[in-house]
Amino acid sequence: GQNIDQPTEMTATEGAIVQINCTYQTSGFNGLFWYQQHAGEAPTFLSYNVLDGLEEKGRFSSFLSRSKGYSYLLLKELQMKDSASYLCAVRPRDSNYQLIWGAGTKLIIKP
Amino acid sequence: EAQVTQNPRYLITVTGKKLTVTCSQNMNHEYMSWYRQDPGLGLRQIYYSMNVEVTDKGDVPEGYKVSRKEKRNFPLILESPSPNQTSLYFCASSFSLAGYEEQFFGPGTRLTVL
Repeated sequence: GQNIDQPTEMTATEGAIVQINCTYQTSGFNGLFWYQQHAGEAPTFLSYNVLDGLEEKGRFSSFLSRSKGYSYLLLKELQMKDSASYLCAVRPRDSNYQLIWGAGTKLIIKP
Repeated sequence: EAQVTQNPRYLITVTGKKLTVTCSQNMNHEYMSWYRQDPGLGLRQIYYSMNVEVTDKGDVPEGYKVSRKEKRNFPLILESPSPNQTSLYFCASSFSLAGYEEQFFGPGTRLTVL
């Protein structure tokens, strides 16, 4: 079957760095997305990776290793507003219409 | 303002009473989708639409219907709601079906079926 694994919850300190991991087993691979979702709100797009390596976008970076079925989202200089759930989603190779979603990682930022 | 809107935002209903959740986008997007989100589970796709009059089942279509008569609207219909359809529902859209296209989500509809 197709599966995406993420830690359920993580805690970090304001100003620090945190890495949220995502591992996937899917029928082929055609891209990986990270979304941010604040409690009670809609998910919003953070990043997209389709090739191996690191994509940097301000305080947020996303890394992909296709051979390992692994990605991580790196958040630097954490702010209280970064408290949210982070969703990993993979587009299987055989589908442009669907995404396989992880259950999300709830990130708690402490002062 | 470019956005996806959903109505209602909150709904409490009883088993068997037909309901419709509306979804509309003003970005001229071709692709639209409905998801449900339950605690401890990832977003699960209910139905999706590639364009007007073209729809297909997602992973959990049982008990739901959709239609796409106009490009901007994609309503979700529950003909006979049951308590296991209590969930948070999101409508999403994207410009095309290209692999890199991000999806834009509506604000969500929290449905409770008693």
